[in-house]
Amino acid sequence: TQLLEQSPQFLSIQEGENLTVYCNSSSVFSSLQWYRQEPGEGPVLLVTVVTGGEVKKLKRLTFQFGDARKDSSLHITAAQPGDTGLYLCAGAPEDGNKLVFGAGTILRVKS
Amino acid sequence: GAGVSQSPSNKVTEKGKDVELRCDPISGHTALYWYRQSLGQGLEFLIYFQGNSAPDKSGLPSDRFSAERTGGSVSTLTIQRTQQEDSAVYLCASSLESPISSYNEQFFGPGTRLTVL
Repeated sequence: TQLLEQSPQFLSIQEGENLTVYCNSSSVFSSLQWYRQEPGEGPVLLVTVVTGGEVKKLKRLTFQFGDARKDSSLHITAAQPGDTGLYLCAGAPEDGNKLVFGAGTILRVKS
Repeated sequence: GAGVSQSPSNKVTEKGKDVELRCDPISGHTALYWYRQSLGQGLEFLIYFQGNSAPDKSGLPSDRFSAERTGGSVSTLTIQRTQQEDSAVYLCASSLESPISSYNEQFFGPGTRLTVL
């Protein structure tokens, strides 16, 4: 069974601070997705990374896929209260047909 | 341009009762997934439908759980003889095809919050 370990589980920071969320596995994934979920709603896809070493930027969010395609990180610069939510990483196994989700990181940005 | 819809949004039931949760995927999406999410946690895969293929039921936690997808569209997740540990948010997602192609996004519904008393 492939697992994705996500850390930290919970993060509470002040507006304007930077943060990084990590997603690690001992398994290789063909791609990795990051989702954001707000209370009472389903997760919404933020980005998909496919190539080892790939870096994608989405405004203040920077996503990186590890060279070996076993890990990924999400870095948020100058966090805003609107960034508050649950962040989930999900990996697509090379030989499977369903995504493997991390346990999630609950981010709270205080103004 | 309707997204994935789920009903009911909330369901409170008594232990031992059966419940049915409904998912309406985005029109034209051939893949449909059911997940379970405990409070503030990640998603636990339950079952996957892809076109006319036999569903992947490998994530169903017990034989009290079943799901069907009629006409390749609407899906119903049934939980028989509910237990308190079944309390969770049940999420449905659809995609054009399996996301293992790496480029197909899963679109999630808002979920059904199930509470078993």
